[in-house]
Amino acid sequence: GAGVSQSPSNKVTEKGKDVELRCDPISGHTALYWYRQSLGQGLEFLIYFQGNSAPDKSGLPSDRFSAERTGGSVSTLTIQRTQQEDSAVYLCASSPSSGPYNEQFFGPGTRLTVL
Amino acid sequence: TQLLEQSPQFLSIQEGENLTVYCNSSSVFSSLQWYRQEPGEGPVLLVTVVTGGEVKKLKRLTFQFGDARKDSSLHITAAQPGDTGLYLCAGEGGNAGNMLTFGGGTRLMVKP
Repeated sequence: GAGVSQSPSNKVTEKGKDVELRCDPISGHTALYWYRQSLGQGLEFLIYFQGNSAPDKSGLPSDRFSAERTGGSVSTLTIQRTQQEDSAVYLCASSPSSGPYNEQFFGPGTRLTVL
Repeated sequence: TQLLEQSPQFLSIQEGENLTVYCNSSSVFSSLQWYRQEPGEGPVLLVTVVTGGEVKKLKRLTFQFGDARKDSSLHITAAQPGDTGLYLCAGEGGNAGNMLTFGGGTRLMVKP
């Protein structure tokens, strides 16, 4: 079956512009996560959606970052007024549930470059 | 804030050598996962360890969870060029609930 897909794979934008990153999780997965990864480093948690519950936004670095998940499936991460320090790979992952020991299935990421 | 520290950050070895990657924390985790990430791709789960002292083997890879469930190690025997990649540990539980806290990663390069 299809894995997690993300689009675009690469995005180059100018400082101050807004960008939208899309994630299509594995069908039936109720949990969805966004992470940020800089220069092949570890993953920085951004936001977590579980079913119809209110998202956990505790990892969002500033109010320029927001995300939504429509119909419990597709998610969009929006970065407003992008800054150079926003340049990174943004990874999306989905999981069958929010229970323990659940594997997270990752998409290939969107590489964002802010000039 | 729970932190997972991985060491070493970078490792370059010759094919056939053995290596160990460490993942340490002052926090207790209910489980610990190891992922491997190749360039241009997302991380892929290798193993989940749950019980303190648990040892799991995956071909030439041996994973161990510390008795106190605060640390873990990954040992690779007779490394192959195909083992090259970024290895990430991720702890679940504690203050983060079912969320995963990721370590900073160990970038491994195995030269033929």
